[in-house]
Amino acid sequence: GAGVSQSPSNKVTEKGKDVELRCDPISGHTALYWYRQSLGQGLEFLIYFQGNSAPDKSGLPSDRFSAERTGGSVSTLTIQRTQQEDSAVYLCASSLRDRVDFGSTFGSGTRLTVV
Amino acid sequence: AQSVSQHNHHVILSEAASLELGCNYSYGGTVNLFWYVQYPGQHLQLLLKYFSGDPLVKGIKGFEAEFIKSKFSFNLRKPSVQWSDTAEYFCAVNGDGGATNKLIFGTGTLLAVQP
Repeated sequence: GAGVSQSPSNKVTEKGKDVELRCDPISGHTALYWYRQSLGQGLEFLIYFQGNSAPDKSGLPSDRFSAERTGGSVSTLTIQRTQQEDSAVYLCASSLRDRVDFGSTFGSGTRLTVV
Repeated sequence: AQSVSQHNHHVILSEAASLELGCNYSYGGTVNLFWYVQYPGQHLQLLLKYFSGDPLVKGIKGFEAEFIKSKFSFNLRKPSVQWSDTAEYFCAVNGDGGATNKLIFGTGTLLAVQP
C-alpha cells in the first residue's frame, strides 16, 4: 500500500484480556518500529525490527508485551493480560533503510483503551 | 539515558506571527535530530531532519531548525505561521550518529494558530 497500515484503529478491551495489534509496513521497507504514545507524554520506543536480524526489544515495558514480524513484512504487537496503564495509542513506523536518519513513515496508530 | 525536552507544551499564535519551538536533548555524542508534525486527525509526518553538514536545516512548508551543538538544542522556527500550521510538533533525537535505531521523542508541543 501507499502508507503504513495499522489495524484496528480503535480497540477497547477488558482488563486481563490479551490483544493483538497489526502493522502492515510500506512495501520494501526493511525496518519496522513500534512506539507507544500515552496521554500527555511523548512517543515511547518499544521495539525495532530490521530484516532478519534479532529485534531490539529494549523498549518493551514488561514481559506481557511481545512482537513478531513474519516474512519481513507484517508485524503483530501482542499485549497479554492487559492493564489500564496499557491504554495508549500504539504507533507503527517503517523506513526504507536500516538507518533511522532516513526518516520513518508512521501509521495512524491503534488507540487501545483498557477498561 | 538520552532525553529530549520540549519546554513549550501549548503555544497559541495569531496568523503571521513568528514561531520558535524549543528542543533540547541530553546526549554528548554524535546525534541525528528530527522534527515530526502531527496535523489533526492525521499521522505523524517528518518535517525536517539533521544528521550532518549545515546546522541550519530547511524543511517543508517554510519550517527550519538550527542545530546548536554547544547548547544541545534544535529549535524549530517559522517566520510567519498560518492557520494550517495548527498541529502537534515533536522533536526527536537518535544518538550515536545513527548507530542505534531508536528515536527518543519529546512530549510534544501543541500549536494553535488563530486566524
